[in-house]
Amino acid sequence: NAGVTQTPKFQVLKTGQSMTLQCAQDMNHNSMYWYRQDPGMGLRLIYYSASEGTTDKGEVPNGYNVSRLNKREFSLRLESAAPSQTSVYFCASSEAWTASNQPQHFGDGTRLSIL
Amino acid sequence: AQTVTQSQPEMSVQEAETVTLSCTYDTSESDYYLFWYKQPPSRQMILVIRQEAYKQQNATENRFSVNFQKAAKSFSLKISDSQLGDAAMYFCAYAKYSGGGADGLTFGKGTHLIIQP
Repeated sequence: NAGVTQTPKFQVLKTGQSMTLQCAQDMNHNSMYWYRQDPGMGLRLIYYSASEGTTDKGEVPNGYNVSRLNKREFSLRLESAAPSQTSVYFCASSEAWTASNQPQHFGDGTRLSIL
Repeated sequence: AQTVTQSQPEMSVQEAETVTLSCTYDTSESDYYLFWYKQPPSRQMILVIRQEAYKQQNATENRFSVNFQKAAKSFSLKISDSQLGDAAMYFCAYAKYSGGGADGLTFGKGTHLIIQP
């Protein structure tokens, strides 16, 4: 059981470059999420998708776009990377769309450095 | 907007002892859920325990238990018989009951737990 798979695990970009972080889950979950984690901070929600075909902004959406490609896949795109987007990015999924009490299952994270 | 505060950046405990990690939150919602997640050096986020706000009984999972005080908006985690494998960052998290859609989690900044052998 792979759970939530994120690619790549590490990436270095130059300022202004674009990049897409990929996320796929094999648990048939309805909801998917993207978070970022900065040093000394908890995870902060960037975007989420309550169900296939829908996406919504979280706490820190500026500079990012997302695509819910199908039920399994939820990608995060940086159109023009900035040093402030240097962070560890986590994708997560959860089963339910009717309530938030379902535990979220996290991927192993992508460490992204922008020079 | 809801906020989650963990006032202890770092805690240290002797192996086999008991430690309590603190968490307070602020919300205007009446229905919500609270979680503790563990993040070891491997960076994985692992669910430790969860609590539904409408339940008065405190959740327990083996050596892990919570003290949920709804009026005080407090949600502390007690780890009994601490083990070396418990060393990690611990995050308190909040999720509102959204009814018709799944929102994300709001996290605290975390507490780094050190286990002394």
